[in-house]
This record gives sequence, C-alpha cells and structure tokens, in this order.
Amino acid sequence: DGGITQSPKYLFRKEGQNVTLSCEQNLNHDAMYWYRQDPGQGLRLIYYSQIVNDFQKGDIAEGYSVSREKKESFPLTVTSAQKNPTAFYLCASRLGGPSYNEQFFGPGTRLTVL
Amino acid sequence: SQELEQSPQSLIVQEGKNLTINCTSSKTLYGLYWYKQKYGEGLIFLMMLQKGGEEKSHEKITAKLDEKKQQSSLHITASQPSHAGIYLCGAEDTGTASKLTFGTGTRLQVTL
Repeated sequence: DGGITQSPKYLFRKEGQNVTLSCEQNLNHDAMYWYRQDPGQGLRLIYYSQIVNDFQKGDIAEGYSVSREKKESFPLTVTSAQKNPTAFYLCASRLGGPSYNEQFFGPGTRLTVL
Repeated sequence: SQELEQSPQSLIVQEGKNLTINCTSSKTLYGLYWYKQKYGEGLIFLMMLQKGGEEKSHEKITAKLDEKKQQSSLHITASQPSHAGIYLCGAEDTGTASKLTFGTGTRLQVTL
C-alpha cells in the first residue's frame, strides 16, 4: 500500500533536548512538507522541500531543522531553541511540478515537552 | 502570504440537516483544497477547485468556488455522524503550485 508514515505517534521530550520526527513516503512524490497544528488553529508550514537535497523555510521555521537526502524521507528535528514545541506535527507529500495536485498527509506525531 | 478565514469556527447540527462552511480570502484563490480531519489524525483530501464558478460533488458533499475566486463553500446535505470532524480549506499561495496556506478550520459535530 502506498502512503505516508510518521513515527512515533506520541513523543515525550524533556526541555533542552533535541528530538527528530520521522516522515517516510512510498508514493514517489517529489515534494514534502512539515506542518505544525495547535489547538484551535489551522496548519502552519514549518519547512518544505520540492526536490531532493533542497528545502525552504515556511512560516514558522525558527527552532526547527530538516534534511532531504532521499526522495522518500524528510525528517524534522525539533531543537532546544524551539520555545514552545508541544504540538501535533503533520507531514505531507505531493506529486510536485507546476500542476495543482493535492497533498497527502501522514497520521501525525503528537509531541509533548515535559 | 495569503490568509484564509473560515466560518463558522464550530457547528453543531442534528443528523439529517444540511450545513454550509465558508472559506474566504482577500486574494485570488489559485487552487482551493478542502480537507477533513478526525481529531488526532491526519488530513483526508476531499476536493480541489481551480476555476471560477467551479463546483464539485462527492457523495453528499458539494464544494463551490465563486466567480471571483475569493470565496469557497462546502455544503453537506443530510448530515450523518460520519461527517463529524474538522474541515479545513487550503489555498495555493501563488499562481504556481508550491505550498498551501490553511484556514483555521471548522469543527463539525452531528447529533443524533
């Protein structure tokens, strides 16, 4: 089955620790995205990548870092510099190219900072 | 960047009733996407609209994009408990497909 997987589903972190969230897709999509969702708010874009070895900052990139070494993988690191990291994180992928086509979303990772 | 306003923020309807959710932008909507989310889960794609005046339907859900391409509506006919969840609209930021800006969502509850 093709799709997007995120792991782990729940993650607990102590203050001051970096943590990496995994996102893998086997849809052969070029573009991948990371969003953050807080209660009562929509999705806010953290980082996105339209091609391997290239990525751009989204609206709230501070305190986060990403890499795109492989087409199918787009891990997100939440660093200790992120002041309020507790949130629901969603990864998405899209076929890419100039045509409009939908983003496919993973099941999400809920990060809680203790 | 584009801002999308959704209304209402939340909605409680009785099973069998119709309802409409709106998504409004001050800028042109080049590609408008509707998604549904169950609490604590990922987003499920519903429909995408691109042309002014376009209308698409899937089962009991109909989405429309106005002629000016600044407002979209999602209409559910004869609501069912399975329709409950959060509905989000998302729009392409520019005339080229790259990244989406999302509205704050509309939380729908369907009562028996």
